[in-house]
Amino acid sequence: GENVEQHPSTLSVQEGDSAVIKCTYSDSASNYFPWYKQELGKRPQLIIDIRSNVGEKKDQRIAVTLNKTAKHFSLHITETQPEDSAVYFCAASSNYQLIWGAGTKLIIKP
Amino acid sequence: KAGVTQTPRYLIKTRGQQVTLSCSPISGHRSVSWYQQTPGQGLQFLFEYFSETQRNKGNFPGRFSGRQFSNSRSEMNVSTLELGDSALYLCASRDRGSSYNEQFFGPGTRLTVL
Repeated sequence: GENVEQHPSTLSVQEGDSAVIKCTYSDSASNYFPWYKQELGKRPQLIIDIRSNVGEKKDQRIAVTLNKTAKHFSLHITETQPEDSAVYFCAASSNYQLIWGAGTKLIIKP
Repeated sequence: KAGVTQTPRYLIKTRGQQVTLSCSPISGHRSVSWYQQTPGQGLQFLFEYFSETQRNKGNFPGRFSGRQFSNSRSEMNVSTLELGDSALYLCASRDRGSSYNEQFFGPGTRLTVL
């Protein structure tokens, strides 16, 4: 079945620096790749998503890139701020089901 | 629109008991998915219901079951509880059940099994 691997499991960056989280998927038929952010004690919320017919998508300080050939996609956060501290989950859709990565805990150091 | 709601928010049970959790999706959403979240284990998919039918199922034992009613509200049942079932159980709803639709999560039910 579909599998999504997410790295790193923990990422610590200086405030103002960039952060990159990477995911790889196994099912070449996957066509939708969302990213969710879960702040401590809160529910996961969608922050950005990308479909398989697009290579890159940006929304202010966040961007997602997709490489279908290599079957990997990445989340890029620029000019990180304290409110970016959270756990980030990637996912890939397969047969209506979202297959989730294990999550990355992003720590923003002041 | 009101968000996804889950009841109860907290639950304490003992081993061997059973439990039923409830999820009310956003009005108009017909798809409800259930997840188990434990520290370090991310979001483990349990099952998804769409228009009262189970459409997908994760790799959980048969002790975990669910159903969806005609108003799209969903319930999840866990029988013969084990200590390892202690977790945050999240449900999420989405419109039309398309893969492209955003999933909206509820606040979760925190289950503690003693």
